[in-house]
Amino acid sequence: ILNVEQSPQSLHVQEGDSTNFTCSFPSSNFYALHWYRWETAKSPEALFVMTLNGDEKKKGRISATLNTKEGYSYLYIKGSQPEDSATYLCAFSGNTPLVFGKGTRLSVIA
Amino acid sequence: GAGVSQSPRYKVTKRGQDVALRCDPISGHVSLYWYRQALGQGPEFLTYFNYEAQQDKSGLPNDRFSAERPEGSISTLTIQRTEQRDSAMYRCASSRPFSGGPDTQYFGPGTRLTVL
Repeated sequence: ILNVEQSPQSLHVQEGDSTNFTCSFPSSNFYALHWYRWETAKSPEALFVMTLNGDEKKKGRISATLNTKEGYSYLYIKGSQPEDSATYLCAFSGNTPLVFGKGTRLSVIA
Repeated sequence: GAGVSQSPRYKVTKRGQDVALRCDPISGHVSLYWYRQALGQGPEFLTYFNYEAQQDKSGLPNDRFSAERPEGSISTLTIQRTEQRDSAMYRCASSRPFSGGPDTQYFGPGTRLTVL
């Protein structure tokens, strides 16, 4: 059974703080690593898809890095804002369809 | 349409009844996925299609669950003889096919199923 772990489970930060969280995934049979942003009562929204070891993607204040050899990805948020509050999901695809982690729930306090 | 749509958005049924959940993917998307999501958890894969062909149904919990996509567009997830443990959010996602690279899945709003 493939295991995708995300840590921490939840995080509270002050507005303006920068933060990061981790996604760990199997390093064998790697194909792609996806990050999604999910607000309660809405659908998960795609942030990034990364495939190459050392990949780094950026979208505004959010960026992500990928290490396929050791099986982890970091998501960084610079200068957190209240509207960044959401659950951030990562998903691994190898030779199977996407396997999602349980997410990191971020709360940004104004 | 502009996005993935699902219907109904909410379904309450009595234990033992059959339910059919519908997914209408983004126009032109070849791949369609079904997930089940428990409260506060990430989506759990159930099954997926490329065009009308079901590629993988390993995530379907048991033989009460089935899915079809007869014309390669709209898909129906059917749960027969529902049980209380089937209560969850059922989400559908669609994407273009793999063609040398990964593709992003776009999620629908989900159907909240409650089995009494």
